[in-house]
Amino acid sequence: DGGITQSPKYLFRKEGQNVTLSCEQNLNHDAMYWYRQDPGQGLRLIYYSQIVNDFQKGDIAEGYSVSREKKESFPLTVTSAQKNPTAFYLCASRSTGTKSETQYFGPGTRLLVL
Amino acid sequence: SQQGEEDPQALSIQEGENATMNCSYKTSINNLQWYRQNSGRGLVHLILIRSNEREKHSGRLRVTLDTSKKSSSLLITASRAADTASYFCATDTGRRALTFGSGTRLQVQP
Repeated sequence: DGGITQSPKYLFRKEGQNVTLSCEQNLNHDAMYWYRQDPGQGLRLIYYSQIVNDFQKGDIAEGYSVSREKKESFPLTVTSAQKNPTAFYLCASRSTGTKSETQYFGPGTRLLVL
Repeated sequence: SQQGEEDPQALSIQEGENATMNCSYKTSINNLQWYRQNSGRGLVHLILIRSNEREKHSGRLRVTLDTSKKSSSLLITASRAADTASYFCATDTGRRALTFGSGTRLQVQP
């Protein structure tokens, strides 16, 4: 059963706490992405990675960090520096082949602040 | 920054009617894609149209692209209650990631 999984589905963060959102894919895709979605809004790019051991900042990277140690995994850490972390977080992946422009999305993680 | 902007922001129609959503963008693109999002879920790819194409069909979906006006439209014919969702356009400029618009929330009344 191929696809992208995100966990947990809901995550609660206490003030000053770092939390990590998991994203795993078994599609053999090279590129992976993290987006943030606020209520009633579109998606904003946080970080992306085109290849293992390399990643780039997106439009709203401040207060977030990522790693890409394995092709299948692209975890996102929401640090205490992110003052307004409440949002829906979406992970996506894409093959970097010439005919592969479509992004595949995970089911999302909703982060709430206690 | 938002490359694509959808219009209208919200649309409510009766089952069986057609739904039309528009998307405008600012820079040159390689392709434009439409995605659907059910409430609280991830996005699902619907259709892709390349910059050298003007119209594309997939089932009840029809997409048009006017690169001179930097705009696209998505038409859903004979809508069903199950089409209720948010619809996003996304532009691919060949750099980094897709850029998504703010979406159109479609409500189809049974």
